[in-house]
Amino acid sequence: ETGVTQSPTHLIKTRGQQVTLRCSSQSGHNTVSWYQQALGQGPQFIFQYYREEENGRGNFPPRFSGLQFPNYSSELNVNALELDDSALYLCASKGPNQETQYFGPGTRLLVL
Amino acid sequence: KNEVEQSPQNLTAQEGEFITINCSYSVGISALHWLQQHPGGGIVSLFMLSSGKKKHGRLIATINIQEKHSSLHITASHPRDSAVYICAVGNTGNQFYFGTGTSLTVIP
Repeated sequence: ETGVTQSPTHLIKTRGQQVTLRCSSQSGHNTVSWYQQALGQGPQFIFQYYREEENGRGNFPPRFSGLQFPNYSSELNVNALELDDSALYLCASKGPNQETQYFGPGTRLLVL
Repeated sequence: KNEVEQSPQNLTAQEGEFITINCSYSVGISALHWLQQHPGGGIVSLFMLSSGKKKHGRLIATINIQEKHSSLHITASHPRDSAVYICAVGNTGNQFYFGTGTSLTVIP
C-alpha cells in the first residue's frame, strides 16, 4: 500500500477522443511524475510536476498535458488519442525530502 | 540505442539461488532507481542510489558512477521475488529513463 491511488483503473476510448486520468498522492507529496508503459516495455517518463508547475518533461508531444492541484492530486490529459496511446499510465509521488517515489497502481487505457 | 540497458532480459532461478541483475546507462545522472513490478502493473520502489551500495533485507544494490553501471542482487531467492525488475535513471533536468526490465522467475 503506497498511499497513491489512480482512477479509473481501466478505460476504453476511441481514436481522436480526449481522456483525463487522475492520481491522488499522499499528503505532503509535492512532486508527482507520470509515466507511460506500453505492453512488454519499460515505463517512459512523460513529465514531472513540482508545486503545481511542470519542471521536467520526456519526449512526449504537447497533446499530453498535466495539472497538479494544491490538495496533492494531479491529472494527466491526453488529447486526440491515437492507437499507440494504449498503455498503462502510472503516477508516482514523493515528499520534499524523500528519496523514494511511491507509485500508484496505474490506469490501463485502451484506444480503439 | 536506449539510454538504459538491462541484462538479462529474462532470468529463471531455483529457490535459494543468488541472483544478479545488471544495469548500464549512457547519460549523466543524479540518481539511479531500482523498481519492482508485479503482474498487474503495481510498481514498488526498491532503492534509490547516487553512490556506493545499499542493502534492504535480502536485496543489495550497488552503483559504480565511473563505469555507469549498477547491479541488483537478491540473496536466498524465493518464489515471491518473481517479478519484473526495472532500472531507471534520473538526470539533473528532472527527466527519467527506464530500462525495459528483467523478468525474474524463481522456481520452488
